[in-house]
Amino acid sequence: GESVGLHLPTLSVQEGDNSIINCAYSNSASDYFIWYKQESGKGPQFIIDIRSNMDKRQGQRVTVLLNKTVKHLSLQIAATQPGDSAVYFCAENTGYSTLTFGKGTMLLVSP
Amino acid sequence: GAVVSQHPSWVICKSGTSVKIECRSLDFQATTMFWYRQFPKQSLMLMATSNEGSKATYEQGVEKDKFLINHASLTLSTLTVTSAHPEDSSFYICSGIPGTDTQYFGPGTRLTVL
Repeated sequence: GESVGLHLPTLSVQEGDNSIINCAYSNSASDYFIWYKQESGKGPQFIIDIRSNMDKRQGQRVTVLLNKTVKHLSLQIAATQPGDSAVYFCAENTGYSTLTFGKGTMLLVSP
Repeated sequence: GAVVSQHPSWVICKSGTSVKIECRSLDFQATTMFWYRQFPKQSLMLMATSNEGSKATYEQGVEKDKFLINHASLTLSTLTVTSAHPEDSSFYICSGIPGTDTQYFGPGTRLTVL
């Protein structure tokens, strides 16, 4: 059922700063990872993905880093803008295209 | 990216009634769709995997008789919450896979059971 009083980890930054959001994943056999952005009341939006044979992938203003040794994933957002404010989830492909989502991080960007 | 729609975007119903939520892939065919639920300030929890033309696969702890899934075509999956109760109030989100692994999500349906 619904839990009361949960608080998402929050990262607060100023507009123009670079943001780094971290994620620890659980399954060492996972071979595909995705970052999603979710704005309030909306479904998750694909940002960037990376496969396990890579350790870095860049998109427009975003970079994902993968460290398989410590099972760690990070999302870097350059020149963060107020429109980047949202909850960010990492997700790992645990088999048959099934995704397991991380707990999420709320990014707050102040002008 | 691929586009997934959901209908309705929000619904309020009385306890004991059933509610149907539709998930459509608008620009791709989806042999597999997924249904998630999300409580406030929490992550997405997979409920079931919907396969076109066959029975859905439910995650542990999800009652298949309560959450009926029908994937009758390559562009439509439906989730019916039967005999809904207040504890079923949640944000329900579906997704589809247009290519290999990447899931694209619908906008979600907010269900409130009074």
